[in-house]
Order: sequence, then structure tokens, then C-alpha cells
Amino acid sequence: DAGVIQSPRHEVTEMGQEVTLRCKPISGHNSLFWYRQTMMRGLELLIYFNNNVPIDDSGMPEDRFSAKMPNASFSTLKIQPSEPRDSAVYFCATQGRLYGYTFGSGTRLTVV
Amino acid sequence: AQKITQTQPGMFVQEKEAVTLDCTYDTSDPSYGLFWYKQPSSGEMIFLIYQGSYDQQNATEGRYSLNFQKARKSANLVISASQLGDSAMYFCAMREGGTSYGKLTFGQGTILTVHP
Repeated sequence: DAGVIQSPRHEVTEMGQEVTLRCKPISGHNSLFWYRQTMMRGLELLIYFNNNVPIDDSGMPEDRFSAKMPNASFSTLKIQPSEPRDSAVYFCATQGRLYGYTFGSGTRLTVV
Repeated sequence: AQKITQTQPGMFVQEKEAVTLDCTYDTSDPSYGLFWYKQPSSGEMIFLIYQGSYDQQNATEGRYSLNFQKARKSANLVISASQLGDSAMYFCAMREGGTSYGKLTFGQGTILTVHP
């Protein structure tokens, strides 16, 4: 079991550029979550999917953020255009068992 | 209103001693789950322990136990026999609702430092 795989691990980009974060969930896990972690706001849920369908996107900050889950083995979180305040660690997590949530290693995004 | 409150920004403990990290929660849903995660300096989120709202007994996982007091809406994490490797950020989280899936809401975390 390779766990939840996120890429890239680190991303540095210039303000205004498009950023795409990727997540490969654990096979068989039906729910996928995108979280953002900052010092000021802690861990915030951005969006989550169940069986590839978005269930709750109320945490998506604004239209610059979008997330997709085209199939059970892949999800993306896109920021376009990126801004310095988007700098954070972005986690993907999946859930398969009754109560187990597994987090990926995170993507540290820096927008300069 | 905060759904998960961790009132201790930082805690210190001597190696081999026990430590309790506090967590209170707020929900009107009778069915919910409570979780604790550990985040070491390397950044990964490590699941420690789970307590369901209908569970009759407090959850235990090795050196971790959850002191669940439903009436007080508290779910404190107890770490026994602290080790240097326990130094990390600890998060309490809650999932509301009776479904087996759903979002986790996290507290602000407590930084635990274990002294030799």
C-alpha cells in the first residue's frame, strides 16, 4: 500500500501563475479531501469528494480555486491565478474504512 | 463558534511521564467521531486514535488513550510514558453525522515538547 501520493512535494511559483496540485488516493478509498494548512488559519477543509462527486466545496476560498476528481484514482486542485496569500501546505486525504483517514505528505506551495 | 477547541497552545512533559492534551468539542449531532492526529516537524499527519460517540469504552491504542467525557463534550488525549519522539503538534478533530464518511473539522493544535 503506497498510501496517498501527492505531487509535487514543493512548488514555488510567481504570483499570477497557474498551479496544479495532484493527488492519487489509496485504491478503494471512496472519499477524498483537500485541506490547506497555514499558521494563521490552521487546517481548513477546501473540498471533499465521495465516489468522485464533489460533496462540499464551501471551503474553497474563491473562484481562483477549482478541484476535480475525474476518476477514482486521481484528483487535482488548481489555483489560477495564484497569489502570495495562497502560500500554504496543501494536504490530500482519503478515507476508506469506517473511520480511517489517511493523509498524503502534503504539497508546500510558495507564491512569490 | 469553534467546533473543536484545544486550549493549550504548548505543553511540556518530562520523558517517561504521562501527559494529557485537552480537547473540547461542540455539536448537536448525536452521532459523531473524534480523532487525534500527530504532526511531527517533518509535516506528515499521523492518525493516532478514534472514539465514536456511541462507544461505551474509552479508546486505547498502545500508549495513547482517549479520555472521553460525553456530558462535558471533552475528548482528551493521554500519552503515557512519553518519549522524545512524541514531540510534535497534536490535533483533535471531529466528524459529525452518522455516515461513515464526512469531513473532519480540526482544532488549532497543541505543540508537545518532551524533555529528556
